[in-house]
Order: sequence, then C-alpha cells, then structure tokens
Amino acid sequence: GENVEQHPSTLSVQEGDSAVIKCTYSDSASNYFPWYKQELGKGPQLIIDIRSNVGEKKDQRIAVTLNKTAKHFSLHITETQPEDSAVYFCAASIPNTGNQFYFGTGTSLTVIP
Amino acid sequence: AAGVIQSPRHLIKEKRETATLKCYPIPRHDTVYWYQQGPGQDPQFLISFYEKMQSDKGSIPDRFSAQQFSDYHSELNMSSLELGDSALYFCASSTGGQRQPQHFGDGTRLSIL
Repeated sequence: GENVEQHPSTLSVQEGDSAVIKCTYSDSASNYFPWYKQELGKGPQLIIDIRSNVGEKKDQRIAVTLNKTAKHFSLHITETQPEDSAVYFCAASIPNTGNQFYFGTGTSLTVIP
Repeated sequence: AAGVIQSPRHLIKEKRETATLKCYPIPRHDTVYWYQQGPGQDPQFLISFYEKMQSDKGSIPDRFSAQQFSDYHSELNMSSLELGDSALYFCASSTGGQRQPQHFGDGTRLSIL
C-alpha cells in the first residue's frame, strides 16, 4: 500500500504569517491528493485537493503544490488567522484500489494572535 | 448543504459487548467509507462500499462487519469489543469513481470500559 509522511507534526506561527506543511508519498501510482482540516470534536473537513495532472492549485489563502517526480506535495496557508488553528492531514489515493485514502500523521497548527 | 450524518455521536460499551454504528451519506453519494481514528492518530481505513457492494477492505478486524443498504446508508457492526477498540469512528461518502473527494461526518466516539 501507500505510505504518506507528513512534516512537521506541530507548527506555531504568528497571525498573518504563512504556514507550510509538507507530505511525501511512496507509490508513484497515487494520483489524487486531498488536504483535510480537523477541529476538536469534528470530522476531517476537505479544504483543498489536487489531481496528478496539475502542479498547483489555489483557493483564496490556501494553495497546494505537487511534485510528481519527487513524490512530494505541500499545503501553503497565507495570512494565517487564529481560526486556522487545527490539525491538518494530507492524504493520497491510488487508482483502482477502491479510492481509499492513505493519511499522513497530521500537523497541529497553532496561529498565535 | 446536507452533510454526512453519523449516529450515535457517543457510545459507551463494556468489553465483549456489541455495537452498531450508523452512517447516512450525502444525498446522491453512492460510496461509503469507514475509518477508525485513535487518539492523536490519523484516520485508518477500515472498509468501503460502492452501490451496496464491498469495494475495498483495509485494516478491519474480523470481529467487525459492515454493509450498505438499498437507501445507501451503512452500518458498522462491532462484536466482542475490546479496550483497544476505543476510538473515533468516521464515515465518509463520495460519488463513485476515482479521484473523488470524500466528505466526512463528525464521527462516533466509542468508549470501551
């Protein structure tokens, strides 16, 4: 199966600064990479995703980049706000395997006002 | 917009008891996934169903079983519960096919005493 590694495990930034979370995956066949935000007591919420035929995708303050050669993808949050504080998970899925997601180990992001 | 509904939100059981968790997917979603999340861990895939047929199987113990019904809701049946089964159990739904985002419910917190 797929192995997804995620760094850092914890990240603290000042409000207004940028935050970057990085993930690597092992199976070059993986072709879909979603990012989830999980707040305490809630389920993971999809915030952005990228497919393997695209190198970058942006949605307001959130962007994701994908380097297929290096098997590496990153989440970028600009102009961070206290409400961005949460645990963020990256994931990867391999085609023709039922679309199950392999999750990274999560990054706990704290935005300091 | 309608989201994934899970019930119950909290469940307390004793060792060797049984439990049934229910999941109601987003309308018109035909695929359901079950994940288990331990404290401070990432979600681990258990099992999925597409059009009422099992589509993929992950690390689901033999003591657990699941099914998807004609109205697309799904139930996870857990027997001979062990202390180690204490976790958050999430259901997610999506439309069928590859590279589709999964939308998660807020989970069932299962505690085994």
